[in-house]
Amino acid sequence: EAGVAQSPRYKIIEKRQSVAFWCNPISGHATLYWYQQILGQGPKLLIQFQNNGVVDDSQLPKDRFSAERLKGVDSTLKIQPAKLEDSAVYLCASKSRTSGKQQYFGPGTRLTVL
Amino acid sequence: QQQVKQSPQSLIVQKGGISIINCAYENTAFDYFPWYQQFPGKGPALLIAIRPDVSEKKEGRFTISFNKSAKQFSLHIMDSQPGDSATYFCAASRIRGGATNKLIFGTGTLLAVQP
Repeated sequence: EAGVAQSPRYKIIEKRQSVAFWCNPISGHATLYWYQQILGQGPKLLIQFQNNGVVDDSQLPKDRFSAERLKGVDSTLKIQPAKLEDSAVYLCASKSRTSGKQQYFGPGTRLTVL
Repeated sequence: QQQVKQSPQSLIVQKGGISIINCAYENTAFDYFPWYQQFPGKGPALLIAIRPDVSEKKEGRFTISFNKSAKQFSLHIMDSQPGDSATYFCAASRIRGGATNKLIFGTGTLLAVQP
């Protein structure tokens, strides 16, 4: 089966600009996650969707970050305006009801904010 | 209480040697402990996972040892190979708990296996 797809793979922007990332989960996976992975750290959950509903967004900086998952399939994560400290890899992961706790990660989008 | 502490930060092992990475957690509600392997430019991939009702789980050359009383768990890679060179993350979560079952990751260990 095809894995989790993410685009773009790399993005360089100036601070205060906006940026959007796209994720296409594995077909049939109802749960979708967005993680932020800062260099030298483990992934940190930003938001979790179950179908098109938000399950957990407690660590999402809502003043600048937003995410949506219309129709319960693809998802976009947006940052507006970006700050220098947002430089990180943004990982999307998905999970099915039958895969237990196993999350399948995409390759990530590396964001550099100058 | 939500932290997972991982050590060492980096590790160099000779081919054929044993790689050992340790993690400690605080939240006694955690009941699922996976290890993820991440190669450069790739997302993390599940390597092996354990629940606290067993003290050890082995899959091929990879073994998780779990010490519930000490709230510690470790990954052992036997007969380490250059292809094992990657970053390894431990993690913890609750199997049940709705919104609280998110994965909490350690800070990662960069493993280099020298030929």
